[in-house]
Amino acid sequence: DIQMTQSPSSLSASVGDRVTITCQASQDISKYLNWYQQKPGKAPKLLIYDASNLETGVPSRFSGSGSGTDFTFTISSLQPEDLATYYCQQYDNLPITFGQGTRLEIK
Amino acid sequence: EVQLVESGGGLVQPGGSLRLSCSASGFTFSSFAMHWVRQAPGKGLEYVSAIGSNGGSTYYADSVKGRFTISRDNSKNTLYVQMSSLRAEDTAVYYCVKSSGHPYNLDYWGQGTLVTVSS
Repeated sequence: DIQMTQSPSSLSASVGDRVTITCQASQDISKYLNWYQQKPGKAPKLLIYDASNLETGVPSRFSGSGSGTDFTFTISSLQPEDLATYYCQQYDNLPITFGQGTRLEIK
Repeated sequence: EVQLVESGGGLVQPGGSLRLSCSASGFTFSSFAMHWVRQAPGKGLEYVSAIGSNGGSTYYADSVKGRFTISRDNSKNTLYVQMSSLRAEDTAVYYCVKSSGHPYNLDYWGQGTLVTVSS
């Protein structure tokens, strides 16, 4: 199985801050990486697919980059509604695997 | 608009069985692979199972292999998972998830249904 190592596990930031989350795959997954946002009590929502493509309707402050084994997710200017847990997920091969999640708190 | 609505969750005793359903609308159900993903209370996301668009291929995580059976009825736009020999560690919210053009790329998620395994 492909292991996804996501960091940090939690972070606290202020409105307007730039926030970065990283995800490392245990083997080359090319561009096959998604980033999800999960708000409390809700289902995950796809934000970024193919490592860097913004899903339709998702604000442009969200972005992703990387390929191979190292990936980055960025919120350029944190907003109060971004309070959530964020997950990376590889879909290069089955089983699909997820990072452990990053809990984002607003200071 | 894509909609996925899960049902069938509830409280079941260890060793018991339960069948979850997922009713799909807003897209051509028969054209896409479908998946189940679960999330134990307060924990992360765990992949459970997949089925190809025509039901001809299936995949199971090791944790559920031999106990869960995924199926679909394309005439009813419905996905199922039959769960048997349930254990306390199967307690979770179960999400039905649609794939995109890539069969392993998960794009739309249902709201989830809670399964609690407890005596």
